[in-house]
Amino acid sequence: SQQGEEDPQALSIQEGENATMNCSYKTSINNLQWYRQNSGRGLVHLILIRSNEREKHSGRLRVTLDTSKKSSSLLITASRAADTASYFCATAGAYNTDKLIFGTGTRLQVFP
Amino acid sequence: DTEVTQTPKHLVMGMTNKKSLKCEQHMGHRAMYWYKQKAKKPPELMFVYSYEKLSINESVPSRFSPECPNSSLLNLHLHALQPEDSALYLCASSHRGENEKLFFGSGTQLSVL
Repeated sequence: SQQGEEDPQALSIQEGENATMNCSYKTSINNLQWYRQNSGRGLVHLILIRSNEREKHSGRLRVTLDTSKKSSSLLITASRAADTASYFCATAGAYNTDKLIFGTGTRLQVFP
Repeated sequence: DTEVTQTPKHLVMGMTNKKSLKCEQHMGHRAMYWYKQKAKKPPELMFVYSYEKLSINESVPSRFSPECPNSSLLNLHLHALQPEDSALYLCASSHRGENEKLFFGSGTQLSVL
């Protein structure tokens, strides 16, 4: 299966701390994306990194991709209580980019 | 308009009922998706439509029947569902080509009794 595995499953931190989530996947990819989901709602796209890129930044987000290890990490710096949500990585296959498969997710809790 | 609109937000149905979920976007996206999400699990891909044609069916049971009447609309027809089909059903859309990020609706929470 292409599905990514994420760790940790859950993460609790204080406001101002950094949060790091990791994603591993199994097959060749075209790109890897990170999404955020507040409880019971739709997902919101955060950032996309292509297979030929190694690092990408967007505001307080930093994503890295290591295709040799089939892994990615999402770093949220200076976290806020409003960052509390579930975070999912999603991979688009190398041969069919329509097929976006989600990883198991990390539940992040940021305490004020 | 950067929204994907799903209706209804909540649906309760019996196992013998027929119902439909609706999804609409006006961003000119040519790919539309149905995902199913159980509580505390990741979204699972069900169907993908590309240029109004079904391009991916992830071996979904025939009691779920997708339909794409035009490039802005996506329906999911439900018939003879089972209690284990209770879940959040998410619709999404995307441009095809270079910008593949998905825009999601807020979902339909389905309960099958």
